[in-house]
Amino acid sequence: ETGVTQSPTHLIKTRGQQVTLRCSSQSGHNTVSWYQQALGQGPQFIFQYYREEENGRGNFPPRFSGLQFPNYSSELNVNALELDDSALYLCASSLGVSAGELFFGEGSRLTVL
Amino acid sequence: DAKTTQPNSMESNEEEPVHLPCNHSTISGTDYIHWYRQLPSQGPEYVIHGLTSNVNNRMASLAIAEDRKSSTLILHRATLRDAAVYYCILRDVGGSQGNLIFGKGTKLSVKP
Repeated sequence: ETGVTQSPTHLIKTRGQQVTLRCSSQSGHNTVSWYQQALGQGPQFIFQYYREEENGRGNFPPRFSGLQFPNYSSELNVNALELDDSALYLCASSLGVSAGELFFGEGSRLTVL
Repeated sequence: DAKTTQPNSMESNEEEPVHLPCNHSTISGTDYIHWYRQLPSQGPEYVIHGLTSNVNNRMASLAIAEDRKSSTLILHRATLRDAAVYYCILRDVGGSQGNLIFGKGTKLSVKP
């Protein structure tokens, strides 16, 4: 059973650019959530996808968007990057929206210059 | 979701028990208490969760106060690998599991 994998692990972008981060969920998990973790802070919920539909969203602007594919893998897209978008982006998968446990990947570290 | 309060940091000696406290005075009757931990340079890792009764698993024990306004995560024998930030999170039983509200957590240091 493979765990949650994210790519890329690190990347550097400049202000105004766009970025796509990818996540492969744990085998059999149909729900994916994305979190942003700034340095020294706890993770903040961005949104969740369940069976290819957005199923909940945190306090993030529309330039943060996502997709979930039929195989339950997912993408996080961020347009018009700002310096404050520099953070660790975490993906988590679970079986169903009411599961007791989330399985997190190791994250993608984004630096915006 | 209701808010939790945890100490910013704690220290422990290796092979000694560790009690990590969490206050959640505004907890509602349908809130589960979840604990996650985050080791350096890794994503958060599920530790344990419970509703009313104390819970045990291979990683830790969760002791829940009778009035549910506080709980304690117990690591029975701390190892160096247990050095991490520990998050106490409340989750409504009917809420979306993906939306966990993390605070700053407790940074646990383990001394050899």
